[in-house]
Amino acid sequence: DIQLTQSPSFLSASVGDRVTITCRASQAIGNSLAWYQQKPGRAPKILIYAASSLYIGVPSRFSGSGSGTEFTLTINRLQPEDFATYFCQQVSYYPRTFGPGTKVDI
Amino acid sequence: QVHLQESGPALVKPSETLSVTCTVSGGSINTHQWSWIRQTPEKGLEWIGSINDSGSATYHPSLKSRVTLSVHPSKTQFSLRMTSVTTADTAVYYCARQQLVLTDWGQGILVTVSS
Repeated sequence: DIQLTQSPSFLSASVGDRVTITCRASQAIGNSLAWYQQKPGRAPKILIYAASSLYIGVPSRFSGSGSGTEFTLTINRLQPEDFATYFCQQVSYYPRTFGPGTKVDI
Repeated sequence: QVHLQESGPALVKPSETLSVTCTVSGGSINTHQWSWIRQTPEKGLEWIGSINDSGSATYHPSLKSRVTLSVHPSKTQFSLRMTSVTTADTAVYYCARQQLVLTDWGQGILVTVSS
């Protein structure tokens, strides 16, 4: 299985900050990576697919980059509604696997 | 936009079978893949498997011996069946539409395995 690690696991930030989350894959997956946002008690929501493509309706302050084994999710000008947990998922190989998550908190 | 809703028993006894159904509304169940994912605080998000509208399924190798996915196009539903459950199978179970990535999710259903 492809193992995904995320750093940091917890991030303390303020409204207006720029935050960056890293996801590393145990082997190369091209650009087959997605990012999801999850708020407490809710299902995850897709933000980014194909490493850097913004999903429909997702604000442009979210961006993704990377390929191979290292990927980043950047949130510019953090908004109150962005405080959540963020997960990466690889969609290159079965079984699909997720990162452990990064909690962005105040 | 498609809406997904999980349904099934909230409590299952150890060694018994867990069954969860996902009802799809606002869109066709055809020409898409449909996935099951579960989440626990200990293991995080775990992909269980996916099935397409013709019934061809792919399973997580660690669960393959206990899991069966099925699709019911006429009812716009698809289902998860997991046998011989243990307390380790206690989780929130999500269904989702898979268009390579998971674009639409149900709200999730907490299934507790306990005697």
